[in-house]
Amino acid sequence: DAMVIQNPRYQVTQFGKPVTLSCSQTLNHNVMYWYQQKSSQAPKLLFHYYDKDFNNEADTPDNFQSRRPNTSFCFLDIRSPGLGDAAMYLCATSRGPGQGGHEQYFGPGTRLTVT
Amino acid sequence: AQTVTQSQPEMSVQEAETVTLSCTYDTSENNYYLFWYKQPPSRQMILVIRQEAYKQQNATENRFSVNFQKAAKSFSLKISDSQLGDTAMYFCALHSWGKLQFGAGTQVVVTP
Repeated sequence: DAMVIQNPRYQVTQFGKPVTLSCSQTLNHNVMYWYQQKSSQAPKLLFHYYDKDFNNEADTPDNFQSRRPNTSFCFLDIRSPGLGDAAMYLCATSRGPGQGGHEQYFGPGTRLTVT
Repeated sequence: AQTVTQSQPEMSVQEAETVTLSCTYDTSENNYYLFWYKQPPSRQMILVIRQEAYKQQNATENRFSVNFQKAAKSFSLKISDSQLGDTAMYFCALHSWGKLQFGAGTQVVVTP
């Protein structure tokens, strides 16, 4: 089945130690998104890629970066995690504007713990 | 600016009963899409139903249906014949210009 896959599902890192979360998709969608979701809150968009074009949200901290080496994969890098970065990180994909689909399909998420 | 408001933090419903979740939104766009997403305790976000703003007919997906009132900017979700597996957080979301704006969510608890 076509899907959005996130690895790992659970990640523990130390305060200040860089960490990378990965997302892959078999849907061949043009757009990939990264969201941060804290407990009992709505997901908050960090950034998204439309093909190779990177779009950063204005309030996304510089500590967060992303890479999309090809259509299938997208990575979220947290350069120096703080305790406040502990959250669920959700990856999502969509076909993109003009391509007949606006709904986003989500992966299962990676729960990040910072110790 | 776009906003999505869900005024019900939590709702409880008995199995086989019907529950309606409210959502209001604000946007200056004419071409937009509305969605309801479900996030069960396992945390994977699942699309429940979608509505294109240019369509007057309300969307229906099995036991899930919406009441879309464009002039009032209202987009409520009705869950009929509730099942225990419907227990989840439900998010209303507005899509415009490639981005989703989520409401705060409504926790639905289905009791036996």
